[in-house]
Amino acid sequence: DAGVIQSPRHEVTEMGQEVTLRCKPISGHDYLFWYRQTMMRGLELLIYFNNNVPIDDSGMPEDRFSAKMPNASFSTLKIQPSEPRDSAVYFCASSLSWQQPMNTEAFFGQGTRLTVV
Amino acid sequence: LAKTTQPISMDSYEGQEVNITCSHNNIATNDYITWYQQFPSQGPRFIIQGYKTKVTNEVASLFIPADRKSSTLSLPRVSLSDTAVYYCLVGAREVGNTPLVFGKGTRLSVIA
Repeated sequence: DAGVIQSPRHEVTEMGQEVTLRCKPISGHDYLFWYRQTMMRGLELLIYFNNNVPIDDSGMPEDRFSAKMPNASFSTLKIQPSEPRDSAVYFCASSLSWQQPMNTEAFFGQGTRLTVV
Repeated sequence: LAKTTQPISMDSYEGQEVNITCSHNNIATNDYITWYQQFPSQGPRFIIQGYKTKVTNEVASLFIPADRKSSTLSLPRVSLSDTAVYYCLVGAREVGNTPLVFGKGTRLSVIA
């Protein structure tokens, strides 16, 4: 498997524009997580899905942020409108069901570096 | 979730053994200790997990004393490529039901 795939790797956009980040989890993984990383706040969990259903979105900073998972192989994180303080690296991760015996780790993508100017 | 405390940064020369200690005084009976490694411009990756005593794999060793209030990640004979941020996490053994919550981690710099 190619691992968790995120696109784009880099995104530069102007304040006020809509930004959509994409993630393809590892095939067969039931859980998908979205994280944001900044120097000031470190790695923050934004939202996670189980079997395509959002379980906890308490980490989503504002209503400007939304995430969807229309099927088991694709998820999006959308920011609308974007602001300079949204500049960060956004990571997507996936894992097996917690009920499966080998589920002891999450696999992260390479991240999307977002810059809002 | 048990709170963890680890040094912000450490420096080491190549070839030395590096020990990073993590404190987790409020660890619960069912909690496991897991370490992740993050290289620059990459996502974190799992290194090792343990519950008590000692665990060893091809990358590192994890030492956990009997009271489990701390743990030490040991990296034998580090090289420049071990320069990374190392995160100590305490929580459920399995991912998913209790998602990973990362602290600030320890930034390890390996010097030639």
